[in-house]
Amino acid sequence: LAKTTQPISMDSYEGQEVNITCSHNNIATNDYITWYQQFPSQGPRFIIQGYKTKVTNEVASLFIPADRKSSTLSLPRVSLSDTAVYYCLLRELVFGTGTRLLVSP
Amino acid sequence: GAVVSQHPSWVICKSGTSVKIECRSLDFQATTMFWYRQFPKQSLMLMATSNEGSKATYEQGVEKDKFLINHASLTLSTLTVTSAHPEDSSFYICSARADRANYGYTFGSGTRLTVV
Repeated sequence: LAKTTQPISMDSYEGQEVNITCSHNNIATNDYITWYQQFPSQGPRFIIQGYKTKVTNEVASLFIPADRKSSTLSLPRVSLSDTAVYYCLLRELVFGTGTRLLVSP
Repeated sequence: GAVVSQHPSWVICKSGTSVKIECRSLDFQATTMFWYRQFPKQSLMLMATSNEGSKATYEQGVEKDKFLINHASLTLSTLTVTSAHPEDSSFYICSARADRANYGYTFGSGTRLTVV
């Protein structure tokens, strides 16, 4: 089973850049890396997906090194509304423990 | 973008009764939908894969007779929690993927089930 490891929680302040790293040492050749965001009592929301190198969209960037054994979700200039749980997935259906991000004023 | 609607958003029922939760893909057809359960402060756990026109595939440890899944059309899957008990109280979430999407799965807003 594709296993990912993330920090359980992270704290930040408004306006800062937040980087959440996910380890996936056993990533398979055909695995994509997908990140989701979940607010309390809501379903997860897709943030970004990548296979290698760097992917950027309007809300985040995803950095993936050449060996693909880890990935880093980068959230630029976070706001209070970015407080949520962030999940890194290899297999689309398998959620790990996630990282609980708390953004303070 | 692809939208998945889930109904109801919350429900309270008495022990021993059954509850049906609906999951609809609003602007795309979904031959496959997925049902998750999430307990407080925990991650999502996949319960079953719902296949249009055929039987659902259940994950290990999930009772198929307790969690009945019906996927009668390309836009609707239902999860029925039968003879509910307080330990079934949880947050149930469905998801689906539009064929045109190259950006992951779309999740419903979830259903908070409380069994009293």
